[in-house]
Amino acid sequence: EPEVTQTPSHQVTQMGQEVILRCVPISNHLYFYWYRQILGQKVEFLVSFYNNEISEKSEIFDDQFSVERPDGSNFTLKIRSTKLEDSAMYFCASSSGPILYNEQFFGPGTRLTVL
Amino acid sequence: AQRVTQPEKLLSVFKGAPVELKCNYSYSGSPELFWYVQYSRQRLQLLLRHISRESIKGFTADLNKGETSFHLKKPFAQEEDSAMYYCALVQGAQKLVFGQGTRLTINP
Repeated sequence: EPEVTQTPSHQVTQMGQEVILRCVPISNHLYFYWYRQILGQKVEFLVSFYNNEISEKSEIFDDQFSVERPDGSNFTLKIRSTKLEDSAMYFCASSSGPILYNEQFFGPGTRLTVL
Repeated sequence: AQRVTQPEKLLSVFKGAPVELKCNYSYSGSPELFWYVQYSRQRLQLLLRHISRESIKGFTADLNKGETSFHLKKPFAQEEDSAMYYCALVQGAQKLVFGQGTRLTINP
């Protein structure tokens, strides 16, 4: 069964460094998402992406964040200058259509630790 | 603002007992609600959605607009139901708003 994959599973970085989190969505899916979950808190929406552009983003997704689909398979989240409070689990997800009618499949997550 | 509240962080029941995981929401309009589950060391996965009116693994959830609730129920808990459960609603076209989650433990 096809799955969303994410790399790395754990990323440790120094404050102020740039990080890129990578995701490979399910191959025939058209909608892509990033969520994050700070330890002990709820899963929070960051951004959705469709047709090569951001379709929706949260207030968390400020200028430090960007997303890209550089080729036909990868979907990346870049944090330009990491802060301590960016430490969290980051989940990628994808769906074949709008989430109202189509299941959103989640990846296993990347744990980002900012020191 | 749209919000999902799961009042219980932890819930523990015995095998064979009924289970009810509470979810309340605030939403202006007709909400579309979901339950997601995360078993130990596994990824988040959809359990059921309001729009489908389905029953998955014996779980059901009914939307009660009067009480703004979407509680998840199962008449007889099984040990394999132990997991983290998240209630979520769709906001806008592409955004899921999650509750805090409830960790359900089924005791043998």
